[in-house]
Amino acid sequence: GQNIDQPTEMTATEGAIVQINCTYQTSGFNGLFWYQQHAGEAPTFLSYNVLDGLEEKGRFSSFLSRSKGYSYLLLKELQMKDSASYLCAVSHVRTSGTYKYIFGTGTRLKVLA
Amino acid sequence: DGGITQSPKYLFRKEGQNVTLSCEQNLNHDAMYWYRQDPGQGLRLIYYSQIVNDFQKGDIAEGYSVSREKKESFPLTVTSAQKNPTAFYLCASSIDSASTDTQYFGPGTRLTVL
Repeated sequence: GQNIDQPTEMTATEGAIVQINCTYQTSGFNGLFWYQQHAGEAPTFLSYNVLDGLEEKGRFSSFLSRSKGYSYLLLKELQMKDSASYLCAVSHVRTSGTYKYIFGTGTRLKVLA
Repeated sequence: DGGITQSPKYLFRKEGQNVTLSCEQNLNHDAMYWYRQDPGQGLRLIYYSQIVNDFQKGDIAEGYSVSREKKESFPLTVTSAQKNPTAFYLCASSIDSASTDTQYFGPGTRLTVL
């Protein structure tokens, strides 16, 4: 079956670095997305990985290992505004040939002053 | 400005009533999706549409209905058959569903059944 695991909550200090992990099990894997979601708001796209390795985008980086079914989101120089939920989502191919997202439950990150 | 709009932001409904949630996009995307988000759970797919006049059930379609008469619009009706409708509803769109395209989300509608 399809399954995604990520920690429920994490706490870090302003200015620090935090790594949010995501492990997944799926057939027909075709990419992994990270979204940021502030409370009561829509998820906003952060990153997409389909090949193994690290993708860097400013303060945020995302890593993927397809053989291990593992990804992480790395947030550097944490700011108070980074307090949000971070959703890991895997895209996989349906039998119909279309693509479907499976979402994890999200990791709620609290940044402390 | 291109984007996805959902209305209303907050919606209250009495038990036994049907209610329709609006979703409009001007991104010229073919594919549109409805998700439900509950505390402690990941987003769950209700319905999706790959093209106008076509839609498919997602994982939790029971008690919901949709239509896709125009490319820009994908309204969701929560019927009285939905046993636990109180949730945060998110609409999303992507260029199409035949490739791994990023999904972009609307601001959401929070539905509360009284």
